[in-house]
Amino acid sequence: QITLKESGPTLVKPTQTLTLTCTFSGFSLSTSGVGVGWIRQPPGKALEWLALIYWDDDKRYSPSLKSRLTITKDTSKNQVVLTMTNMDPVDTATYYCAHTIGYCSGGSCYAPFDYWGQGTLVTVSS
Amino acid sequence: DIQMTQSPSSLSASVGDRVTITCQASQDISNYLNWYQQKPGKAPKLLIYDASNLETGVPSRFSGSGSGTDFTFTISSLQPEDIATYYCQQYDNLTFGQGTKLEIK
Repeated sequence: QITLKESGPTLVKPTQTLTLTCTFSGFSLSTSGVGVGWIRQPPGKALEWLALIYWDDDKRYSPSLKSRLTITKDTSKNQVVLTMTNMDPVDTATYYCAHTIGYCSGGSCYAPFDYWGQGTLVTVSS
Repeated sequence: DIQMTQSPSSLSASVGDRVTITCQASQDISNYLNWYQQKPGKAPKLLIYDASNLETGVPSRFSGSGSGTDFTFTISSLQPEDIATYYCQQYDNLTFGQGTKLEIK
């Protein structure tokens, strides 16, 4: 049974760095083809993909946010960590992590997200 | 970047109706398109991958079709539990559509 759960601060101040952790079970990030992605959703708005890391440490980022994002994995702990720098109130959103099996080629990633965490709401406010 | 246009943004239908949502890509994306369902306060759920493949456990009243630039998501007979927002997603930068909020008439 695959499960994922996001953890991190619920409130951050503008300009601060956000660090979110996705802790998962039921799969290994050392298995060929496996990946974990981060997706966010501002209140009442659409989903936005942020970042993706694969079993072989291939990392991909949303072009519009690439300069602010870092994704890493700790295979031994079954965790994926996302950091986002210079937080702004417009970054207020529910942040999800999700499992995929796929690959990236050039600028495209075959990555249907088939298992999702419950999401964590992050509010950016002073 | 490839842009996705999802329509309509909202839809009201009766139980038993056939419901159709479309996504149009600005460039040929082959069949690299997924469909998700998101119920209020819940995480999205993958329904269809690669444009037409039904995810395991998803009821057969859901279906997807299309390739190239034009894609369609269909609910053959709307059920009360299908009330949700539906999103398409393509593989170029993993972009999601703007969503279609489906309500019961």
